Amino acid sequence: AQSVTQLDSQVPVFEEAPVELRCNYSSSVSVYLFWYVQYPNQGLQLLLKYLSGSTLVKGINGFEAEFNKSQTSFHLRKPSVHISDTAEYFCAVSARYGQNFVFGPGTRLSVLP
Amino acid sequence: DGGITQSPKYLFRKEGQNVTLSCEQNLNHDAMYWYRQDPGQGLRLIYYSQIVNDFQKGDIAEGYSVSREKKESFPLTVTSAQKNPTAFYLCASRSPPGATEAFFGQGTRLTVV
Repeated sequence: AQSVTQLDSQVPVFEEAPVELRCNYSSSVSVYLFWYVQYPNQGLQLLLKYLSGSTLVKGINGFEAEFNKSQTSFHLRKPSVHISDTAEYFCAVSARYGQNFVFGPGTRLSVLP
Repeated sequence: DGGITQSPKYLFRKEGQNVTLSCEQNLNHDAMYWYRQDPGQGLRLIYYSQIVNDFQKGDIAEGYSVSREKKESFPLTVTSAQKNPTAFYLCASRSPPGATEAFFGQGTRLTVV
């Protein structure tokens, strides 16, 4: 079984500042890793995913994430945030041959002017 | 355009009534999922289906039922046995399992009045 931890439930940050949203996971098997973004009253949109290969993954809207197998982490970063990045962010894992996703509880990013 | 359509976007139900949430996809995906989202709790899996005429319970299936008579459709019925049905419901699909992301609908917000 897999589990996902997102240590920060809320992250306030000023516009144009950098941000890091933390994600740690546990799994006894190899996994694929995903970050999704959710705007209010909408579905989830994929930001980026790690399947294999380079541990630094670039996604949409200037986001990137780094897979660290030894620390079982997949932290999301952006060097300069915009007001429009205000949303909830979910980290998710899927076992390599599994059927389901396991989602973290989410981190609410608030970008302040 | 390919995607997942959930309807209605907003739904109000009186206590004791059953309601059915619609989910249709034209992505030709085999797997479909229903999640429930409550504030601060992330996404919790209700039911999932890997193929037509087959589905499995997720973590919080009590008070819910589903059917999968067509590949494109995976409706969710919230029964009167569900004690606290007010929530945001998300439908998703993916194919094949494992190395692919899930695609989400825009969600249905159910409110019991």
